[in-house]
Amino acid sequence: NAGVTQTPKFRILKIGQSMTLQCTQDMNHNYMYWYRQDPGMGLKLIYYSVGAGITDKGEVPNGYNVSRSTTEDFPLRLELAAPSQTSVYFCASSYSGGNTDTQYFGPGTRLTVL
Amino acid sequence: GQQVMQIPQYQHVQEGEDFTTYCNSSTTLSNIQWYKQRPGGHPVFLIQLVKSGEVKKQKRLTFQFGEAKKNSSLHITATQTTDVGTYFCAGGSSNTGKLIFGQGTTLQVKP
Repeated sequence: NAGVTQTPKFRILKIGQSMTLQCTQDMNHNYMYWYRQDPGMGLKLIYYSVGAGITDKGEVPNGYNVSRSTTEDFPLRLELAAPSQTSVYFCASSYSGGNTDTQYFGPGTRLTVL
Repeated sequence: GQQVMQIPQYQHVQEGEDFTTYCNSSTTLSNIQWYKQRPGGHPVFLIQLVKSGEVKKQKRLTFQFGEAKKNSSLHITATQTTDVGTYFCAGGSSNTGKLIFGQGTTLQVKP
């Protein structure tokens, strides 16, 4: 199993540009998450999904959109990039989503907005 | 909202010294998980504690869950350069059923 994969690894955007961060998992997990990690900070939940067709906001959803058309894929969309969105983005998945379930993280996408 | 606070934010130690990071919640947690993130890497699950007062060991790492299930600690004995990274605790909320991550403690080890 590849686990959780993310593309791209790195990206530089200009202010106002749009992009989609891709996330795929092959573990047949129901729950998927998007986090952002700013330097020296912890993980902040952007959006999560409990299954195909169902998404919900996390702690910091503004400026982002998500969709979940399949169990495997959970893309994160930035419509109008802003410097405040410079961060490392991690996708994660878990089987049940319960608070005792382990989350498996992808390798991350390092995004810089100039 | 519910928060999980972690201290210290940074710790520099000489190789061979011990290291401890603490995780505190204002409300009772159902469980606590610990993750390690190597520099440039992604968080990787280390361990989970569920019972009040539980203590678990992984080689030089000792994890403890407080009696009131509001705090936890990770202690590393005789640090090595391979221990470098950021250690996150994640508390399970009884109310929301979700994991809440602490800010992490970044450990630097001088050889």
